[in-house]
Amino acid sequence: EVQLVESGGGLVKPGGSLRLSCAASGFIFSSYTMNWVRQAPGKGLEWVSSITSNRGYIYYADSVKGRFTISRDNAENSLFLELSSLRAEDTAVYFCARAGPYSSSFYFDYWGQGSLVTVSS
Amino acid sequence: DIQMTQSPSSLSASVGDRVTITCRASQDIGTYLAWYQQKPEKVPKLLVYAASAFQSGVPSRFSGSGSGTEFTLTISSLQPEDVATYYCQKYNSAPFTFGGGTKVEIK
Repeated sequence: EVQLVESGGGLVKPGGSLRLSCAASGFIFSSYTMNWVRQAPGKGLEWVSSITSNRGYIYYADSVKGRFTISRDNAENSLFLELSSLRAEDTAVYFCARAGPYSSSFYFDYWGQGSLVTVSS
Repeated sequence: DIQMTQSPSSLSASVGDRVTITCRASQDIGTYLAWYQQKPEKVPKLLVYAASAFQSGVPSRFSGSGSGTEFTLTISSLQPEDVATYYCQKYNSAPFTFGGGTKVEIK
């Protein structure tokens, strides 16, 4: 069974930093593109970042480019998102999501339960 | 960047009704289009990818169609358990943008 478990969320002050983690199990982690998607309270889904299986390609939404860094550890079956220079508008539930099985499959077939990040003074 | 526009933003229909949700892309995205269902307080669930291919376990009353810039998700006979917000997402190239969502309720 595919499982994705996020951790690391919490309350942080504007301008602060945070590191989210996603522990993956139930599939060959090193073979899949992994992603972060967020959802602000009461709002829709927003794609944040993607990293391909061998870290060959990394993509960011314009809204987070230069402030967030995605990474992965294939040996530890883990995905990470470093959030810095945080703003109130970054407040959201952050979902870890697995992409489909092919290199062009940037849709998301499994999702974690999400980790809430709240940016407030 | 390509914009994804869903319509309507919300709808109310009766059990058994046929429901159609539209997603329009501002440029041609081929069939690189996915649909998700998010029930209240739940995690999004993939319904359709490649515009019309079903994820395993999706009820047959759901269907997806379209290519290029116009896509539809149809529920042939709305059921109470279909109350949710539905999102489209383009994935031909980054950014992998979601539509704004369509909230489906029972009348």
